[in-house]
Amino acid sequence: DQQVKQNSPSLSVQEGRISILNCDYTNSMFDYFLWYKKYPAEGPTFLISISSIKDKNEDGRFTVFLNKSAKHLSLHIVPSQPGDSAVYFCAASASGGNEKLTFGTGTRLTIIP
Amino acid sequence: ETGVTQTPRHLVMGMTNKKSLKCEQHLGHNAMYWYKQSAKKPLELMFVYNFKEQTENNSVPSRFSPECPNSSHLFLHLHTLQPEDSALYLCASSHKRGGLDEQYFGPGTRLTVT
Repeated sequence: DQQVKQNSPSLSVQEGRISILNCDYTNSMFDYFLWYKKYPAEGPTFLISISSIKDKNEDGRFTVFLNKSAKHLSLHIVPSQPGDSAVYFCAASASGGNEKLTFGTGTRLTIIP
Repeated sequence: ETGVTQTPRHLVMGMTNKKSLKCEQHLGHNAMYWYKQSAKKPLELMFVYNFKEQTENNSVPSRFSPECPNSSHLFLHLHTLQPEDSALYLCASSHKRGGLDEQYFGPGTRLTVT
């Protein structure tokens, strides 16, 4: 049973437009969420995170929104740039003893010049 | 360059071979992790070490044997693997145990079992 789901395996966005990547989770114990970015032949790199006490966290062009009632989070990238083309993984963890990061299957983002 | 290195980057081995994967982190972190990434599946946590002690074994078959001699080095010893073990094996480290601190990943070892 997948506790973190990224239902869109791929997404194509025009350069300069907004990219929105979505993630849903089922475990209500999750209270910390992260987005990782992965280029081919490299390991995932940390992008941005959000704690469940917040509903938004912003870092430059990247903003993560958390909707706890819907168990949904999204990553917004604006404006999108060609270097943003990568696979994006959503991950979640629970602070109450469960130390594991649970990952989604990833969304491949392609930015079209 | 994330400060986490893995060797080898690619490995092809037969089912009767014994090989080891190596991970080294230069970040002064206390926790190290092994993950498996199979095609079209999420990253699966295999093992967690915190201050050289194994704190998590996520129901991994005994043909995978981890070793953590110190906080900077992590090994994954492989023996009598199966073709379905072919995957990308990723090492990660973090400053402290748990998911409340971002993990830094190495580039991975692409393993093919023939």
